[in-house]
Amino acid sequence: SSELTQDPAVSVALGQTVRITCQGDSLRSYYASWYQQKPGQAPVLVIYGKNNRPSGIPDRFSGSSSGNTASLTITGAQAEDEADYYCNSRDNSESHRYVFGTGTKVTVL
Amino acid sequence: QVQLVQSGAELKKPGSSVKVSCKASGGTFNSLTFGWVRQAPGQGLEWMGGITPIFGAIKYAQKFKGRVTITADKSTSIAFMELSSLRSEDTAVYYCARVMVQGDTDWFDPWGQGSLVTVSS
Repeated sequence: SSELTQDPAVSVALGQTVRITCQGDSLRSYYASWYQQKPGQAPVLVIYGKNNRPSGIPDRFSGSSSGNTASLTITGAQAEDEADYYCNSRDNSESHRYVFGTGTKVTVL
Repeated sequence: QVQLVQSGAELKKPGSSVKVSCKASGGTFNSLTFGWVRQAPGQGLEWMGGITPIFGAIKYAQKFKGRVTITADKSTSIAFMELSSLRSEDTAVYYCARVMVQGDTDWFDPWGQGSLVTVSS
């Protein structure tokens, strides 16, 4: 099955911009979706497809993709953005199966 | 607006089975695809499998094949995930989520609140 690799942790100063990356072969064929998870809570979808935000997600969250890498960018990070972030895509080796990234802990300083 | 409500926490003995439920409301159950994802303490998210009730299509992650059974009851709008031969490593929070598919794009939204399963003797 496919694998999606993320940096374990990144930090960003309040109000600055941070980019979280996700690498994997499946991303050459499928778009990633991104999830924010705060301690003790269920994941929440923040970006899907080319660069789509669900209703209620601030526009400081954006997504992009190139080759085997998908990125989630937070422009003007806020204290409430401190969380774990996971990417996800369809598994390109097994039809209609999915794989999650290893997760990135974002710390807002 | 689809909402997913899961069953409560469970404490299970090693070697036993657990069945977690996920009740959907606010949408047409038959048109939904459900995914099951688990998260061990301090670990990441892991896709276990999914079901599309209208087609009776079920997919399992290779890791769980033979131990997991995913079903759906259309009459009650509930999806189920049963995991057998439990071991301590299966201690985790189990989530259900609706899976949306559009061409080359898939996403999980919304998610249930999670069900904690603890495996301990």
